[in-house]
Amino acid sequence: EVQLLESGGGLVPPGGSLTVSCAASGFTFSNYAMNWVRQAPGKGLEWVSEISASGGSTYYADSVTGRFTISRDNSKNTVFLHMNSLRAEDSAVYYCAKLLYSHSVSGSFDIWGQGTMVTVSS
Amino acid sequence: SYELTQPPSVSVSPGQTASITCSGDKLGDKYVCWYQQKAGQSPALVIYQDNKRPSGIPERFSASHSGNTATLTISETQAMDEADYYCQAWGSVAATVFGTGTKVTV
Repeated sequence: EVQLLESGGGLVPPGGSLTVSCAASGFTFSNYAMNWVRQAPGKGLEWVSEISASGGSTYYADSVTGRFTISRDNSKNTVFLHMNSLRAEDSAVYYCAKLLYSHSVSGSFDIWGQGTMVTVSS
Repeated sequence: SYELTQPPSVSVSPGQTASITCSGDKLGDKYVCWYQQKAGQSPALVIYQDNKRPSGIPERFSASHSGNTATLTISETQAMDEADYYCQAWGSVAATVFGTGTKVTV
């Protein structure tokens, strides 16, 4: 079964840092670009970041550029989102999502994790 | 920044047809897909490549895309279709955008 499992969410003070992880199983992880999408409580979906299958290319939403870093470890089938200088408006459920097509960038997300909640508050 | 606009809510009677629009500048030049998000759950892909359905998605879900508007249509709507629906569009790398979302009430 294809599955994504996020972890690492929690409560962090404004200006703090946090890293969330997403462990993948059931597919050839190294063939697919991976994305992070977030959803603030009661709000819509917001794309955050993407990393190519090899990890050689990364992309970010303007709202997180310079503060967040996406990375992956293909030997461990895991993608990470390192978040620095966190703000109250970064509070959200963070989902990792797999692209539908292998060896592509941008596109539909066919598999989503269950999400991990990040709360930025003092 | 690029924006996709959806109606906040759509109400439909069981067995009737629900239509959800997604509008954006030059949307016809982009690829569009649709997600369903039921309460307390992660989003699920229901339409990709403009009008293809993933395995397990009922035939009553269809979509069209023309000009600046894409439309998701749910025929013979059932109570289980009650959810939030989001369009997503992209035209190039790192340019993916989600719509504002539509709450469908059956």
